Amino acid sequence: QVQLQESGPGRVKPSQTLSLTCSVSGDSISRGSYYWSWIRQPAGKGLEWIGRIFGSGNTNYNPSLKSRVTISLDTSKNHFSLNLSSVTAADTAVYYCARSITIFPMDVWGKGTTVTVSS
Amino acid sequence: DIVMTQSPDSLAVSLGERATINCKSSQSVLFSSNNKNYLAWYQHKPGQPPKLLIYWAFTRESGVPDRFSGSGSGTDFTLTISSLQAEDVAVYYCQQYYSAPHSFGQGTMLEIK
Repeated sequence: QVQLQESGPGRVKPSQTLSLTCSVSGDSISRGSYYWSWIRQPAGKGLEWIGRIFGSGNTNYNPSLKSRVTISLDTSKNHFSLNLSSVTAADTAVYYCARSITIFPMDVWGKGTTVTVSS
Repeated sequence: DIVMTQSPDSLAVSLGERATINCKSSQSVLFSSNNKNYLAWYQHKPGQPPKLLIYWAFTRESGVPDRFSGSGSGTDFTLTISSLQAEDVAVYYCQQYYSAPHSFGQGTMLEIK
């Protein structure tokens, strides 16, 4: 049974880069039919899709964040990562990672990790 | 980008009664080559990750009670809970996975009346 777990600093200073990792157990992230995604939820607001990476390394990003977002795979560690640069208080949120299989929606999610942008 | 709009924003229903949540997409999410609507519904409870309930607009995820059902096609969709249970209190989101960015609706908060 595949499981996902987010990790990273709980606090990031404004203008710095937020870096999170999603560790995957129970399956290989390099499997060609999987997408690995990041989603966030600011406090009191709804879900926002950040972007995804295919097992081959191809990516899709939300245009609203595209200039600041990078999602990457580390097959040696079986995890994928999110980097969000030039953060502001508006990037304070619970960040989730998730898996989807080809044309299907996200069916397995991590528990989420809270990131606060504050000096 | 496809914009997803849910209605209502919040809903209070008595236990055992029917709850209905609507979702409208700004453009069709029906893929003509396979005749599938790329529309999913998620249930989100505080302190937990979202849980996939429905995909392809009406297919229940494994383990989801049959009181949850989805309907609709093209741009208009509905999630129905036939007989509300206490454990169904949550925020419900629709999401289109037809084209990136895979946008969510703003969410509908479901409470017990």
